[in-house]
Amino acid sequence: EDQVTQSPEALRLQEGESSSLNCSYTVSGLRGLFWYRQDPGKGPEFLFTLYSAGEEKEKERLKATLTKKESFLHITAPKPEDSATYLCAKGGSNYKLTFGKGTLLTVNP
Amino acid sequence: DSGVTQTPKHLITATGQRVTLRCSPRSGDLSVYWYQQSLDQGLQFLIQYYNGEERAKGNILERFSAQQFPDLHSELNLSSLELGDSALYFCASGGPGGETQYFGPGTRLLVL
Repeated sequence: EDQVTQSPEALRLQEGESSSLNCSYTVSGLRGLFWYRQDPGKGPEFLFTLYSAGEEKEKERLKATLTKKESFLHITAPKPEDSATYLCAKGGSNYKLTFGKGTLLTVNP
Repeated sequence: DSGVTQTPKHLITATGQRVTLRCSPRSGDLSVYWYQQSLDQGLQFLIQYYNGEERAKGNILERFSAQQFPDLHSELNLSSLELGDSALYFCASGGPGGETQYFGPGTRLLVL
């Protein structure tokens, strides 16, 4: 069965303090590694899809990377508006996404 | 705005009742996925439909059922509701398998 583990569960940063979020997943049957951002009470908002080890994608202050068994979401010089829960999901061979529990990021001004 | 719409936004009902949640996918998407999000379980995949046919099933209870209509909108039916069914229910749409899924704003269900 697919498993996705995210760490840390919660992260508090000062504005401008860069850091990384981790996502580890069961390797077999990977059909994409997905990152989403979720604000309280809202639907997950798509950020990135990564398909193969070594792939990197960037969007504003966020950069996602993928290795053979982990993915990282790097946040450079975060701002308070980056505060949200970041979700990682594995696309499996049976068409479903398996989500991790998420990392709650708080960026203080 | 993802282009996926869900109604209603909020639903309050009593134990034992039945409710229907509705989802319209993004224009051009043939797949609809349903997820349940609770505080302790996180986002859990329930079921996928592709062009009107069931494609994949996850942790969906027998009391729950879904269908996708010819116009591609989908409905999730929840019956014999229990307190533990209180959660956020999300619909997502996308390609048939492996492609990015785009989520709707969700329906918050409260069972009293």
